[in-house]
Amino acid sequence: EADIYQTPRYLVIGTGKKITLECSQTMGHDKMYWYQQDPGMELHLIHYSYGVNSTEKGDLSSESTVSRIRTEHFPLTLESARPSHTSQYLCASSRGYGYTFGSGTRLTVV
Amino acid sequence: KNEVEQSPQNLTAQEGEFITINCSYSVGISALHWLQQHPGGGIVSLFMLSSGKKKHGRLIATINIQEKHSSLHITASHPRDSAVYICAVGLKGNEKLTFGTGTRLTIIP
Repeated sequence: EADIYQTPRYLVIGTGKKITLECSQTMGHDKMYWYQQDPGMELHLIHYSYGVNSTEKGDLSSESTVSRIRTEHFPLTLESARPSHTSQYLCASSRGYGYTFGSGTRLTVV
Repeated sequence: KNEVEQSPQNLTAQEGEFITINCSYSVGISALHWLQQHPGGGIVSLFMLSSGKKKHGRLIATINIQEKHSSLHITASHPRDSAVYICAVGLKGNEKLTFGTGTRLTIIP
């Protein structure tokens, strides 16, 4: 049973649309992360949060934004989707050094 | 040069074979993770190690802190083990993870 939930699982959307990828966890973890992964490539950190009202940009520059209003919820938003945003987006949370990953959202922008 | 190197990049083996995947890293770490990613994309955490050895079912993970090296072993491999196995390290003083590029394992019946 998954403790971290990502929706949608797959999304195909047109250029210019605003989208929000949802991520929720039920473990009460303070730390949450968003990773971007292109096919066959390694994961890259794009955003992270160490608690409510705390968000930071990751190692890979991204045009997306995040918010952390509640501990359990860490949504990622793209204001205007472009084909270059096509990728897989994975959410994770951690306590100490233990990580839990979501199932990912595979985004295609056409 | 990536801080985390995995080998091999691709591995194909017959069902039942003993599998070894290696991970080397170049920096001081607080913990090392072995992750499994199936074609659907979701990631499952297999092990978190800071020293020694851990075993779960047919999977064994070892780490040598002095040599900055870890191995993931699969005994009696099965086609359902086919996946990408990713090594990731948490750097000292930084809980964020740095990932290897993964090893794509294919087990043929």
